[in-house]
Amino acid sequence: NAGVTQTPKFQVLKTGQSMTLQCAQDMNHNSMYWYRQDPGMGLRLIYYSASEGTTDKGEVPNGYNVSRLNKREFSLRLESAAPSQTSVYFCASILRGTGQGETQYFGPGTRLLVL
Amino acid sequence: LAKTTQPISMDSYEGQEVNITCSHNNIATNDYITWYQQFPSQGPRFIIQGYKTKVTNEVASLFIPADRKSSTLSLPRVSLSDTAVYYCLVGPSSGSARQLTFGSGTQLTVLP
Repeated sequence: NAGVTQTPKFQVLKTGQSMTLQCAQDMNHNSMYWYRQDPGMGLRLIYYSASEGTTDKGEVPNGYNVSRLNKREFSLRLESAAPSQTSVYFCASILRGTGQGETQYFGPGTRLLVL
Repeated sequence: LAKTTQPISMDSYEGQEVNITCSHNNIATNDYITWYQQFPSQGPRFIIQGYKTKVTNEVASLFIPADRKSSTLSLPRVSLSDTAVYYCLVGPSSGSARQLTFGSGTQLTVLP
């Protein structure tokens, strides 16, 4: 049981290049999120997927697209990278308990540097 | 959105009990309070969650007063390895994820 995995761990891009960040979970969770975390800051929600086949915008969606490929996988795509997208990206898989709040399980993160 | 306010940083010594308070004045009826811990270069990790009164698990306790406008994470007898950023998150058990907001967190530094 690997939990939440993310690839790549680290990436350097030039301005204007594109790339896809991959996230997969093996916990059979319905919901998955993508966050970004800038130095010294909290996490900001980019996009989320409440269930397979659905996606919705979070707080900072501009410049990103997502795909919920199946229940396990949720990818984040940067079509034309900009220096402002230099950040650490975290994927989370969500357990929603009956009568309880949700618990988020985070991946190890992808460190992205855009030059 | 239930906005949260936490101290930016706290220092403590090994073996002491640490209490970190989070203010959430506009918490909604169906909101839960969840605390996460984050070490450098890692994703946040769930610590504890509660709705009201007191919750305790093997690593922490969470105290929530009757009005639920604040909550306190209590870490008993901290060690150096508890040095991390602690986030308070307030949000509903169901509904839009856009209602979930991570604040800036509290940097806890445990000193020898």
